[in-house]
Amino acid sequence: SQQGEEDPQALSIQEGENATMNCSYKTSINNLQWYRQNSGRGLVHLILIRSNEREKHSGRLRVTLDTSKKSSSLLITASRAADTASYFCATPIIQGAQKLVFGQGTRLTINP
Amino acid sequence: GAGVSQSPRYKVAKRGQDVALRCDPISGHVSLFWYQQALGQGPEFLTYFQNEAQLDKSGLPSDRFFAERPEGSVSTLKIQRTQQEDSAVYLCASSLERTRSNQPQHFGDGTRLSIL
Repeated sequence: SQQGEEDPQALSIQEGENATMNCSYKTSINNLQWYRQNSGRGLVHLILIRSNEREKHSGRLRVTLDTSKKSSSLLITASRAADTASYFCATPIIQGAQKLVFGQGTRLTINP
Repeated sequence: GAGVSQSPRYKVAKRGQDVALRCDPISGHVSLFWYQQALGQGPEFLTYFQNEAQLDKSGLPSDRFFAERPEGSVSTLKIQRTQQEDSAVYLCASSLERTRSNQPQHFGDGTRLSIL
């Protein structure tokens, strides 16, 4: 079973606009990670936010974390056609192993 | 190599056949993971190795699935007597450290398995 739920499941915007994706999770976490997956490829790690952090930036990416609501959001500013991909949030299971539990993902399409 | 390498990229097998999927992790990475990704879904955990030790195989769907990493580097995921529901993309990932969960995982491009 999957831990997280991404919202929306699909998002289509014009190039240059901002894209916001949300993730909710169920259990306590040490950190939350966002990954990108281009069609037919593996996942690429984008950003990790620890449970004691509320916001983190990396280039055009901004991630927020609200542990009281068990939710996170990923904002991509000034979107580009190359940002077209599926985006997943993932949380590591705390009990020792680092295995990640992924949500179902948001399919983002950037229209030129 | 620079990244995680998986082979073959595509595999078509008839129902009932055995298949073997290979993963070459990033050199020096201690942890290795296998995930299964159904179409339109997020990856789901199958099994985890720390060096050659298989520490968690709770995600393997049945005893037809077997994974090994005998020398703590290359790993093989074997599926015996394949069934149609085994059709999926199988992703391998590696990470550098053993016990810290704040290490990003580096994924290969996966093997797309189709069972006819």
